[in-house]
Amino acid sequence: DAGVIQSPRHEVTEMGQEVTLRCKPISGHNSLFWYRQTMMRGLELLIYFNNNVPIDDSGMPEDRFSAKMPNASFSTLKIQPSEPRDSAVYFCASSLAEGGYEQYFGPGTRLTVT
Amino acid sequence: ILNVEQSPQSLHVQEGDSTNFTCSFPSSNFYALHWYRWETAKSPEALFVMTLNGDEKKKGRISATLNTKEGYSYLYIKGSQPEDSATYLCASYQSGGSYIPTFGRGTSLIVHP
Repeated sequence: DAGVIQSPRHEVTEMGQEVTLRCKPISGHNSLFWYRQTMMRGLELLIYFNNNVPIDDSGMPEDRFSAKMPNASFSTLKIQPSEPRDSAVYFCASSLAEGGYEQYFGPGTRLTVT
Repeated sequence: ILNVEQSPQSLHVQEGDSTNFTCSFPSSNFYALHWYRWETAKSPEALFVMTLNGDEKKKGRISATLNTKEGYSYLYIKGSQPEDSATYLCASYQSGGSYIPTFGRGTSLIVHP
């Protein structure tokens, strides 16, 4: 298996633009997690899905952020409109199931909003 | 919001030294603890998944212990090598409701040759 795949790897955009980050989990994994990593706050969980259903989105910073998982092999994290403070590395991770199974992280998307 | 604390924040050791660091987590409603190794410019990779009080896990020169009653886990590295240089993260899961991992800020280890 290729592991968790994220695209793009780098994104530079201007403030106000819409940004869409993509993730393909490991085949057969039922749980998917979106994280944001910043120097100030470390690794923060934004949202997680189990069997394509959002289970907890309490980490999503505000209404500008939304996430979807239309099927078991694809998820998106959208920011609209983007702001400079959204600049961070966004990681997607998947695990076999919810309940404390080890997570497999993708390579991350480095987002810069100017 | 749960408090998962890791100490020290950073650590410099010489090649061959043995070292250890700590992860503290809420002991109430404990479900699982993970350790991850995160090399610069890469993504975190799981080292250990620990669930039972008194658990000890080992992978090569790296081992970990778990005390769920007092809420701490130790990670040990025996005979550190430069390739052990990385940030070591722990993540705590509590039971009740959804299984949300809370990550610590990590311990940054640099092993000097």
